[in-house]
Amino acid sequence: DGGITQSPKYLFRKEGQNVTLSCEQNLNHDAMYWYRQDPGQGLRLIYYSQIVNDFQKGDIAEGYSVSREKKESFPLTVTSAQKNPTAFYLCASSTDLPTTGELFFGEGSRLTVL
Amino acid sequence: QKEVEQNSGPLSVPEGAIASLNCTYSDRGSQSFFWYRQYSGKSPELIMSIYSNGDKEDGRFTAQLNKASQYVSLLIRDSQPSDSATYLCAVEGPDRGSTLGRLYFGRGTQLTVWP
Repeated sequence: DGGITQSPKYLFRKEGQNVTLSCEQNLNHDAMYWYRQDPGQGLRLIYYSQIVNDFQKGDIAEGYSVSREKKESFPLTVTSAQKNPTAFYLCASSTDLPTTGELFFGEGSRLTVL
Repeated sequence: QKEVEQNSGPLSVPEGAIASLNCTYSDRGSQSFFWYRQYSGKSPELIMSIYSNGDKEDGRFTAQLNKASQYVSLLIRDSQPSDSATYLCAVEGPDRGSTLGRLYFGRGTQLTVWP
């Protein structure tokens, strides 16, 4: 079945450690996105990519990095520079460019910093 | 920064009632509008999209758009306990300094439908 796979689903990290969240899609979508969600908050855009080897900062990119070497994959690294990384991270993809159209989301990765 | 504001919740309605969710947006140039539903601990899923002024109906859901007043709403008729979720309003617009589109989300309205 087509969809978006995020891993891991739950992740614990010590302060000062980098961590990479995986996002893979087999929907043949060009655009991929990373969002962060905190309790009681909407979705805030971290990074997005609309073609391979290109990506743009979203609203809260500081302390995060991404790569887009393959159309199917868009991993997110939460670096030690991110001051408050505990959150629910959602990866999404969409097919329509330049309009966004419908976003398809993965199941999310819940990161907790100890 | 483009703003998308939703009526603060939580919203609680009895089973069978109409639930009304509202959203306003700041960018007058926005053309596409979406409602996502998110169950607790899950990822959002699209339930309605609307692009033209007026009403769009899909089963028990009706989206209403008024571009002049810059608001979009979602009505849920005959509300069911299974409708209990957070509803996120999303508005499409160009990113700053770019012609590429992206979605701007509101904070969401938590809806509880009690039996």
